[in-house]
Amino acid sequence: QVQLVQSGAEVKKPGASVKVSCKASGYTFTSYDINWVRQATGQGLEWMGWMNPNSGNTGYAQKFQGRVTMTRNTSISTAYMELSSLRSEDTAVYYCARGGGYYYDSSGYFNYYYYYGMDVWGQGTTVTVSS
Amino acid sequence: EIVLTQSPGTLSLSPGERATLSCRASQSVSSSYLAWYQQKPGQAPRLLIYGASSRATGIPDRFSGSGSGTDFTLTISRLEPEDFAVYYCQQYGSSPRITFGQGTRLEIK
Repeated sequence: QVQLVQSGAEVKKPGASVKVSCKASGYTFTSYDINWVRQATGQGLEWMGWMNPNSGNTGYAQKFQGRVTMTRNTSISTAYMELSSLRSEDTAVYYCARGGGYYYDSSGYFNYYYYYGMDVWGQGTTVTVSS
Repeated sequence: EIVLTQSPGTLSLSPGERATLSCRASQSVSSSYLAWYQQKPGQAPRLLIYGASSRATGIPDRFSGSGSGTDFTLTISRLEPEDFAVYYCQQYGSSPRITFGQGTRLEIK
């Protein structure tokens, strides 16, 4: 079945970095964006950024520019989100979610992008930042 | 930046009643790019509606979405006990690519 499986909980000290992984299965990893969304306890959903796993292109929310890096390893269908210079306010559950899709023709050329919402979510990774 | 404002913040209803949740955008949003999610405590969000009115796979037909431009609505025709949760609207656009509303909590009256 189509699923995203994230790495386990992390506890970090202020100023450190954390790298969360998101392993895709059941679909072609390079055909859909991966988004990262976080949620502090009792708060709403906050979008952090997106990545095209095929090209490696990324786009980050302004709030996280300079602190977040999204990468991937296509050989193992895994996306990564690294957040640096951690502070207590970064304590949250971090989710990866499958986003829009890329349609390629029979020759492998990109035809169009489509967005049908974030239809598959990882289980979430709790990141706690505490001294 | 497009801001999504959801109302009400909390909605108290009984099972069997009809729920109407609103999502208002600060600028026009393409209907193709408006989605709704349901989130229960301790769980990841679940996609309910995409393209403003299309139900995602496996979503019961008591859930429906409507609207265009800056005003969108999620309607649950007859509330089931499992529908009590937090609901978020979300838009896909240019910059930033994704924004979420602040959420509406649907609670049992």
